[in-house]
Amino acid sequence: QKEVEQNSGPLSVPEGAIASLNCTYSDRVSQSFFWYRQYSGKSPELIMSIYSNGDKEDGRFTAQLNKASQYVSLLIRDSQPSDSATYLCAVNIPGRGSTLGRLYFGRGTQLTVWP
Amino acid sequence: GAGVSQTPSNKVTEKGKYVELRCDPISGHTALYWYRQSLGQGPEFLIYFQGTGAADDSGLPNDRFFAVRPEGSVSTLKIQRTERGDSAVYLCASSLTRGPEQFFGPGTRLTVL
Repeated sequence: QKEVEQNSGPLSVPEGAIASLNCTYSDRVSQSFFWYRQYSGKSPELIMSIYSNGDKEDGRFTAQLNKASQYVSLLIRDSQPSDSATYLCAVNIPGRGSTLGRLYFGRGTQLTVWP
Repeated sequence: GAGVSQTPSNKVTEKGKYVELRCDPISGHTALYWYRQSLGQGPEFLIYFQGTGAADDSGLPNDRFFAVRPEGSVSTLKIQRTERGDSAVYLCASSLTRGPEQFFGPGTRLTVL
């Protein structure tokens, strides 16, 4: 059973604060990790991918990966009301001889940023 | 460039009917994935294609579900004898051969009455 767990939420932060979203996964062979943002009634939008231990920064977003602890997180700095959405953590376990494969998703954490 | 497109955006059908959902991937993307998402849940994998062949169909829930991609581009997800429990948003995603990043289409909301 391959599981991806996210902190239950909902998470509510004031505008300008740092939002911290967490995710753990059960399968040690996982190689690729993703954060998707999903607005209500819309489809998931890829916002971050991370493949190696450490931090990866893109604008206001920072993804952090710790494979030993099987933990991946997303930090959103200077949160804006437009960041209010559900954030989905996804883990890829590649097929044999390929980097491709199905994604396993968590249930998502709902984030609300209030003005 | 154009993203993944899916048609129809909404489909309402009656229990027992047959439905087809279509996905047109991003141009140049050789891998295509189908997921479905129920309210309050993350997307759940159904099947993925590498080119024309199904590389992994282990997520299809039963033999009422079938998908094809005859020319390695557009894919059709087919559901026979629909049941109320099939109601969900069906999502299609595509990726390049060399990378695992998947990009989703807008989805088809299927409602089985």
